[in-house]
Amino acid sequence: TQTVSQSDAHVTVFEGDSVELRCNYSYGGSIYLSWYIQHHGHGLQFLLKYYSGNPVVQGVNGFEAEFSKSDSSFHLRKASVHWSDSAVYFCAVKTGYQNFYFGKGTSLTVIP
Amino acid sequence: EAAVTQSPRNKVAVTGGKVTLSCNQTNNHNNMYWYRQDTGHGLRLIHYSYGAGSTEKGDIPDGYKASRPSQENFSLILELATPSQTSVYFCASGDGWGPVAETLYFGSGTRLTVL
Repeated sequence: TQTVSQSDAHVTVFEGDSVELRCNYSYGGSIYLSWYIQHHGHGLQFLLKYYSGNPVVQGVNGFEAEFSKSDSSFHLRKASVHWSDSAVYFCAVKTGYQNFYFGKGTSLTVIP
Repeated sequence: EAAVTQSPRNKVAVTGGKVTLSCNQTNNHNNMYWYRQDTGHGLRLIHYSYGAGSTEKGDIPDGYKASRPSQENFSLILELATPSQTSVYFCASGDGWGPVAETLYFGSGTRLTVL
């Protein structure tokens, strides 16, 4: 069984700052990674995904993530955050025919 | 235009009662999922389905049943609700399977309280 670790439960930044939300996983095989965002009171929405190719992938609203096989990581980044980016972010891992495993989420607060 | 719709949005049930949570999707996806979300646990998979007539157990199926009567509808059934099943439940449809990259589309959730 693979595990997904999001080491920061809460991150607080100011509007215009850059941010990195960390995701580490434990699995050695072929892997599919994605990030989802959840605004308060809503369901999760897809942000971006990686399966193969360029390890840096672009998502919606200026988000990007970088896959590192050596570090078993898939960190999410944004160069300049907006107050509307305040939400909970979930990293998800899927391998082969298995189901998704989600991290426990990182709550991002952006101070205007 | 919401493609995954859950009902009800909120539900209060009594211990021992039967609860049915409904989910409808207009994405025409074969795969559908039921998750529960609890503080400190993230999302945990309860049941899933590959298509009409199929249901499979996820990671925490005990105390839950699922039904997929059609491509569009996927229900989660609590035959004898318990307070430990108080949670927020999310339904999702998925656009792929296996090694193909899959994107999940979530409903807005059902907040269930069992007294």
